[in-house]
Amino acid sequence: GAGVSQSPRYKVAKRGQDVALRCDPISGHVSLFWYQQALGQGPEFLTYFQNEAQLDKSGLPSDRFFAERPEGSVSTLKIQRTQQEDSAVYLCASSLEGTRGEKLFFGSGTQLSVL
Amino acid sequence: AQSVAQPEDQVNVAEGNPLTVKCTYSVSGNPYLFWYVQYPNRGLQFLLKYITGDNLVKGSYGFEAEFNKSQTSFHLKKPSALVSDSALYFCAVRDLNDYKLSFGAGTTVTVRA
Repeated sequence: GAGVSQSPRYKVAKRGQDVALRCDPISGHVSLFWYQQALGQGPEFLTYFQNEAQLDKSGLPSDRFFAERPEGSVSTLKIQRTQQEDSAVYLCASSLEGTRGEKLFFGSGTQLSVL
Repeated sequence: AQSVAQPEDQVNVAEGNPLTVKCTYSVSGNPYLFWYVQYPNRGLQFLLKYITGDNLVKGSYGFEAEFNKSQTSFHLKKPSALVSDSALYFCAVRDLNDYKLSFGAGTTVTVRA
């Protein structure tokens, strides 16, 4: 596709349920980021991949959060035993080369609601 | 550590008037500065960036921003606002030594006809 694709668009989970969020970046993009955006807030960094290597996971809020990008393209963010405070929009972004001056291309996000 | 402050939650202007959205930043080294815009139910879209060079940078849709190192500011401006500019605007900063982009809390711009 022409842009960053995220699925599902909406996800409703019961507290304690595991969820998996998918990101399909722009083809050939080296860098991939996951962000969490709470209602009324700016995006907060979760984790960063350069190809298949996870170079920074300092933003993951707990060990219930896990991200992978095994072949350097599609990425999955997994949240185990979801809690109400996990409710947010999860944004994926990619960039071509991974240089710090590059702009990011964002997906439309997955809105997660934990009941 | 790097951070961004957007002091105004909301900015309201009349169509045709100048628009300014304020941003200040804090980094340990030289900053890379960005503005993104978010329309309802859509992802963030890049507007412009400052890396080095001329302090006045021009971007998409007639927007520009001025980098001021002494005031650590990077305000977004548009000389004549349109109703279609109504959206949520985010300032972001990246430190020379960091991969992640840190965002401000956002400013909602409403342009009335």
